[in-house]
Amino acid sequence: QVQLVQSGAEVKRPGDSVRISCKTSGYTFSRAFIHWVRQAPGQRPEWMGWINAGNHHTEYSQKFQGRVTITTDTSASTAYMELRSLRTEETAVYYCARGGRNETSGYSWFDPWGQGTLVTVSS
Amino acid sequence: DFVMTQSPDSLAVSLGERATINCKSSQSVLYDSNNKNYLAWYQQKPGQPPKLLIYWASTREYGVPDRFSGSGSGTDFTLTISSLQAEDVAVYSCQQYYSTPHTFGQGTRLEIK
Repeated sequence: QVQLVQSGAEVKRPGDSVRISCKTSGYTFSRAFIHWVRQAPGQRPEWMGWINAGNHHTEYSQKFQGRVTITTDTSASTAYMELRSLRTEETAVYYCARGGRNETSGYSWFDPWGQGTLVTVSS
Repeated sequence: DFVMTQSPDSLAVSLGERATINCKSSQSVLYDSNNKNYLAWYQQKPGQPPKLLIYWASTREYGVPDRFSGSGSGTDFTLTISSLQAEDVAVYSCQQYYSTPHTFGQGTRLEIK
């Protein structure tokens, strides 16, 4: 079955960068989009951006433009999300999620999701 | 950005009874060229990622029990659980994927009465 497995929890200082990996299996990696979504405690999920794993085209939320980079390693069926200049209020669980099955654009639902990576930003 | 607003924020329903959750979008998520509503529903339990229930506003994902159904069009949508089971206790959220940034509702917490 389709699985997305993320890297482990991170503790960062304000101003640091974090890079999270998302290893996929169970489908053809290059035929789907990978989205990144974060969820702060008690808050609604917040979409950060996507990557087309076939052509590496990305689209980012304007909120994160300039601070986020999403990449892939096709040989490892793995996606990465790097967020720079972290702030304390960005403590959250960060998720990767595949775009909808058989969908050919980033305008789709998310399924399945990775297990989440807790990023704690604290001085 | 599209603002998604759910109602109610929390809901307590007796086992076996119907639960209804509403989601309103600040702009229409109906794409005229394909007549599809770009809206999904998710279930999230504590410590777990969201789980897809419904997409295209009314298409049930494989393996999702048929007591879950979605309806609505344009700006107003509803998730209905026809007969509440104990395992349905969770937070339910809608999400629009018509436009970026894709946005979510604030969530509705469903409990057993």
